[in-house]
Amino acid sequence: SQTIHQWPATLVQPVGSPLSLECTVEGTSNPNLYWYRQAAGRGLQLLFYSIGIDQISSEVPQNLSASRPQDRQFILSSKKLLLSDSGFYLCAWRKTMNTEAFFGQGTRLTVV
Amino acid sequence: SQQGEEDPQALSIQEGENATMNCSYKTSINNLQWYRQNSGRGLVHLILIRSNEREKHSGRLRVTLDTSKKSSSLLITASRAADTASYFCATDGQQAGTALIFGKGTTLSVSS
Repeated sequence: SQTIHQWPATLVQPVGSPLSLECTVEGTSNPNLYWYRQAAGRGLQLLFYSIGIDQISSEVPQNLSASRPQDRQFILSSKKLLLSDSGFYLCAWRKTMNTEAFFGQGTRLTVV
Repeated sequence: SQQGEEDPQALSIQEGENATMNCSYKTSINNLQWYRQNSGRGLVHLILIRSNEREKHSGRLRVTLDTSKKSSSLLITASRAADTASYFCATDGQQAGTALIFGKGTTLSVSS
């Protein structure tokens, strides 16, 4: 069966520090991968999605970047965090478009 | 960007009552999906309805889709306290390679 792992669960980082959030998927190949951010009490904002290695689309211009070094690994990064980067970050995968998505448990990021 | 808009933003009902949530979207879609999120957790897929379907059932869930009005509704019958969560609609656009776009969600509170 397929599983998705996202870590860490919580993170407190100072302004200006770097960020690396990792997401891996097991039990499937060539998944579509997604990073979403959710502000407190709000909906999900799509940040990045990838339909294959070296194929990453950015939806929101900001100081975040994403990489897919392996087929089932998706990494969200920042060189210098801003206070506004605080939020709940969710990684998700699905086999292809027009199918259901499976979410990780999320990372609560607080930038102080 | 956010495609869907759920209504109401918050809903409070008693156990045993039915809960109805609505979702409106802006562009043509291939399918519409509903997800549930318990507080501080990842999202869980509930049901997917394709653009050529008008109604779909899954247990106590009933989803309708009206593509002419660009709207969908999620009905939860005989609600339970365990149904307390946030509910989101999400859409798959018709353009190839697009991502799943979520609405802002409806927060449902079921009291016993």
